Amino acid sequence: DVKVTQSSRYLVKRTGEKVFLECVQDMDHENMFWYRQDPGLGLRLIYFSYDVKMKEKGDIPEGYSVSREKKERFSLILESASTNQTSMYLCASSPILGGRQPQHFGDGTRLSIL
Amino acid sequence: KNEVEQSPQNLTAQEGEFITINCSYSVGISALHWLQQHPGGGIVSLFMLSSGKKKHGRLIATINIQEKHSSLHITASHPRDSAVYICAVGYYGGSQGNLIFGKGTKLSVKP
Repeated sequence: DVKVTQSSRYLVKRTGEKVFLECVQDMDHENMFWYRQDPGLGLRLIYFSYDVKMKEKGDIPEGYSVSREKKERFSLILESASTNQTSMYLCASSPILGGRQPQHFGDGTRLSIL
Repeated sequence: KNEVEQSPQNLTAQEGEFITINCSYSVGISALHWLQQHPGGGIVSLFMLSSGKKKHGRLIATINIQEKHSSLHITASHPRDSAVYICAVGYYGGSQGNLIFGKGTKLSVKP
């Protein structure tokens, strides 16, 4: 079974801090994704990566950056956390782009910025 | 832009009832996905389909490509089916990556 592991289930940080969210997958998938999920808005794509060191912006990349130095690991970085980045963050991986295979999701990180 | 609309947004049912959740989309797709998210939990994939019908236990998913519409049915619903059900469509390219998500249907099944 595919396992996508996010480093924290719950995280509390202060405004202005640099925040790192880590995601690791164990199935050698080429593609990895970071989403945020907010009530009434559903899942929105922040960034995705289709190969090591390769990335593409999603719908809402402002205030975020990503890093993919190894195939199995995809990190989301909040450069200077703000209260409007309080949200649930979900990582996913998939072997193929284009939605032709299911994405496998982690359990999510509920991030609160105070 | 490909939009994905789900209905209803919220649904309350009594245990044992037959449940239908609907999903419609606006342009051509590679596949349609139904996902389930339990409270506080991650998201799991229930079905991926590009035509016809699939069944897994008490869950049935259908898709009509011509009408750009899909339904998720739950037969003999149970309180453990309480979750958010999300429809997503796959497509190629664009800044949205490769899945566009509906806003979800929150299902609550009462004993």
